[in-house]
Amino acid sequence: AIQLTQSPSSLSASVGDRVTITCRASQGISSALAWYQQKPGKAPKLLIYDASSLESGVPSRFSGSGSGTDFTLTISSLQPEDFATYYCQQFNNYPPTFGQGTKLEIK
Amino acid sequence: QVQLVQSGAEVKKPGASVKVSCKASGYTFTSYDINWVRQATGQGLEWMGWMNPNSGNTGYAQKFQGRVTMTRNTSISTAYMELSSLRSEDTAVYYCASSLAYENAFDIWGQGTMVTVSS
Repeated sequence: AIQLTQSPSSLSASVGDRVTITCRASQGISSALAWYQQKPGKAPKLLIYDASSLESGVPSRFSGSGSGTDFTLTISSLQPEDFATYYCQQFNNYPPTFGQGTKLEIK
Repeated sequence: QVQLVQSGAEVKKPGASVKVSCKASGYTFTSYDINWVRQATGQGLEWMGWMNPNSGNTGYAQKFQGRVTMTRNTSISTAYMELSSLRSEDTAVYYCASSLAYENAFDIWGQGTMVTVSS
């Protein structure tokens, strides 16, 4: 199975900061990658699909990029509601797998 | 609206089985695969398997082969995930999820079902 490694595992940042989270695949996955946001006690919420496409209704401060093995999720200007855990997921190879998550905390 | 609604929390003893339901509404249930994902407390997301509600075909993660069964009742647009031989490590929130709009993302999720395995 393809392994996805997210970095960092946790991150402290302030409102207004620009934040980048990285997801690295153990082998090439083309652009078959999604990003999710999860808040405590809630189901994950889709942010980005196909590595760089923004899900409808998701604020434009979220963006995704990358292809092959290296991907990034960027939040251009952190808002209070963005403090959460973020996961990447690949769909190129069966079974679909998730990264271990990145917890974004308030500094 | 489009949604997946799951059954309520369960408490089971080690060795028992649990069956979680996931009721779809707002779309054609038989047109989209249902996936199951679990999350132990404080841990990450783990994909368990998928089911095609039209054919009943399934695919399970190797870790759960032999212990998990995914079924459906198309007359009530409901998918089920049954996990047997429960152990304490199976204590987790179990989610159903589907890809309606995109091939490479789960765009709808159930609210989750907490399953606690304890003697």
